[in-house]
Amino acid sequence: GENVEQHPSTLSVQEGDSAVIKCTYSDSASNYFPWYKQELGKGPQLIIDIRSNVGEKKDQRIAVTLNKTAKHFSLHITETQPEDSAVYFCAASILIGDMRFGAGTRLTVKP
Amino acid sequence: GAGVSQSPSNKVTEKGKDVELRCDPISGHTALYWYRQRLGQGLEFLIYFQGNSAPDKSGLPSDRFSAERTGESVSTLTIQRTQQEDSAVYLCASSASSGYNEQFFGPGTRLTVL
Repeated sequence: GENVEQHPSTLSVQEGDSAVIKCTYSDSASNYFPWYKQELGKGPQLIIDIRSNVGEKKDQRIAVTLNKTAKHFSLHITETQPEDSAVYFCAASILIGDMRFGAGTRLTVKP
Repeated sequence: GAGVSQSPSNKVTEKGKDVELRCDPISGHTALYWYRQRLGQGLEFLIYFQGNSAPDKSGLPSDRFSAERTGESVSTLTIQRTQQEDSAVYLCASSASSGYNEQFFGPGTRLTVL
């Protein structure tokens, strides 16, 4: 089955700096790669996703890149703000019903 | 429109008691998932429902755990004879049956077993 690894487990940046979180996956058939943000006491919220037919997607300060050959994808947050502090999860999916999550990255943005 | 809702938001129970957790998916979403998240940990898949098909129970940790779903709507996760290691946040998510697997999560139920 699919295995997703996520790094780093914790990340601390200064406000205004960029943050990068990386994930690798094992199954080349995976075709959908979402990123979730989980704030304290809340459920994960989908913030951006990318499908296997594109290499990069951007939405304001966040972007995701996908390298299918290397089987890795990354989340980039630019101009970080304190409200970006949260736990971020990557995931990979082949089919409906089959989603594997990374272990999470705790991002802290220092004001 | 309304998102995924879960109830109760918090549940405290004594060891050995049974508990029922409820999930209301987004209207029209035929796929429904339950996950467990222990404190500071990632998401652990428990069970998946898709329409009228037999559920994928491969993630249930023991026979004390079971789940049901009424048609394509409400689902309940039941934990019998709760143990302290069952303490966690239980998350429910739903997705549409076609296209890519975009899952939308509820706020979770925090279960504490004393």
